[in-house]
Amino acid sequence: QLQLQESGPGLVKPSETLSLTCTVSGGFISTSDSFWGWLRQSPGKGLEWIANTYYSGSSYYNPSLRSRITVSVDTSRNQFSLILHSVTAADTAQYYCARCDTSHSEISWFDSWGQGILVTVSS
Amino acid sequence: DIQMTQFPSSVSASVGDRVTITCRASQGISSRLAWYQHKTGKAPKLLIYGASSLQSGVPLRFSGSGSATDFTLTINNVQPEDSATYFCQQANSFPLTFGGGTNVEVK
Repeated sequence: QLQLQESGPGLVKPSETLSLTCTVSGGFISTSDSFWGWLRQSPGKGLEWIANTYYSGSSYYNPSLRSRITVSVDTSRNQFSLILHSVTAADTAQYYCARCDTSHSEISWFDSWGQGILVTVSS
Repeated sequence: DIQMTQFPSSVSASVGDRVTITCRASQGISSRLAWYQHKTGKAPKLLIYGASSLQSGVPLRFSGSGSATDFTLTINNVQPEDSATYFCQQANSFPLTFGGGTNVEVK
């Protein structure tokens, strides 16, 4: 059974950089039918998709965040990562990593999720 | 971006009731819709994909229907363990977008 686990700091100062890692277990990140996604939910708001990335490095991004995002994959560690630059209080959210089932389309749904990690942006 | 409007925002039901949640897309998305269940502190769980296909392991009391712009998630014979937030997601085009969520309370 595929499991995903987010890790990273719970507190980041404004204008600094947020770095999160997702560790995948129970399966390989370098599979042809998977993209690996980052999503977030700010307090009182709905879910927001951030980006999807393939093990080769090919990625799709939410245009609203594209200029501040870097995503990467480390196949040797079975991990993928998110870097969000120049954070503000508006980036305070529960961040999730998830597997996107792309066996039929690169635009798809998420069939395995991590439990999420709360990141607060505050000085 | 495709906007997903979900309603109601909350619903209270008794055990054994039928619960219906609606998701409306701002433009046609064919059958490219998923439904999720999310309990606080846990990982969200995929229930329905392709508008009406039941994800493996999901109880048969959950069902999905609809196409184009209007979609429905139905929970028949709702159980106490179904208390959760439910949300929809369109998978027709990037950026992927989600409905605002429906909080279901089962008394």
